[in-house]
Amino acid sequence: DTAVSQTPKYLVTQMGNDKSIKCEQNLGHDTMYWYKQDSKKFLKIMFSYNNKELIINETVPNRFSPKSPDKAHLNLHINSLELGDSAVYFCASSQARELFFGSGTQLSVL
Amino acid sequence: GESVGLHLPTLSVQEGDNSIINCAYSNSASDYFIWYKQESGKGPQFIIDIRSNMDKRQGQRVTVLLNKTVKHLSLQIAATQPGDSAVYFCAENIRAGNMLTFGGGTRLMVKP
Repeated sequence: DTAVSQTPKYLVTQMGNDKSIKCEQNLGHDTMYWYKQDSKKFLKIMFSYNNKELIINETVPNRFSPKSPDKAHLNLHINSLELGDSAVYFCASSQARELFFGSGTQLSVL
Repeated sequence: GESVGLHLPTLSVQEGDNSIINCAYSNSASDYFIWYKQESGKGPQFIIDIRSNMDKRQGQRVTVLLNKTVKHLSLQIAATQPGDSAVYFCAENIRAGNMLTFGGGTRLMVKP
């Protein structure tokens, strides 16, 4: 059983399109996150939700909108995709301090 | 965590040798640190953690050393194996919240 699963694994799309990435965790954790990893492997927090409530929102364009229908799910919707949005997006969850990551979604904007 | 460099540092070691990966952190309020391993095409995976009231912690083939005086963290891998090839990240957690801040990563390449 995959603890943190995100779909799709690969996403190739044109500039200007709108896309969503889904994430689900079966660990019973209260907190979920979205991280962005650039081409130099740097990992940067985007959002954090605790029990469906937004608790961290780093400096992210408002084209990115997270949605948490319940504490096991945190989806990421991106409007009007730009070339610079190309990256690997990781979902993660935690109950204490350790983060458990999904396997990533590689987004390529053409 | 470590400030982002212009490139990903790479450490190349011979199989069977010991590896030492270093990390400098910037926030003296950080009280918890984690090392993660990220293999190609996968998400980061937990290796070992250490709290700020310790200066050394050992796991299976891995040791983390913490020097709070100079805000430095290191990961030592004994008898490095080809399966250890990956990108390694240190991450720090500030007392106030659960957010982990990641360092820039080091690529470890193990030569057979």
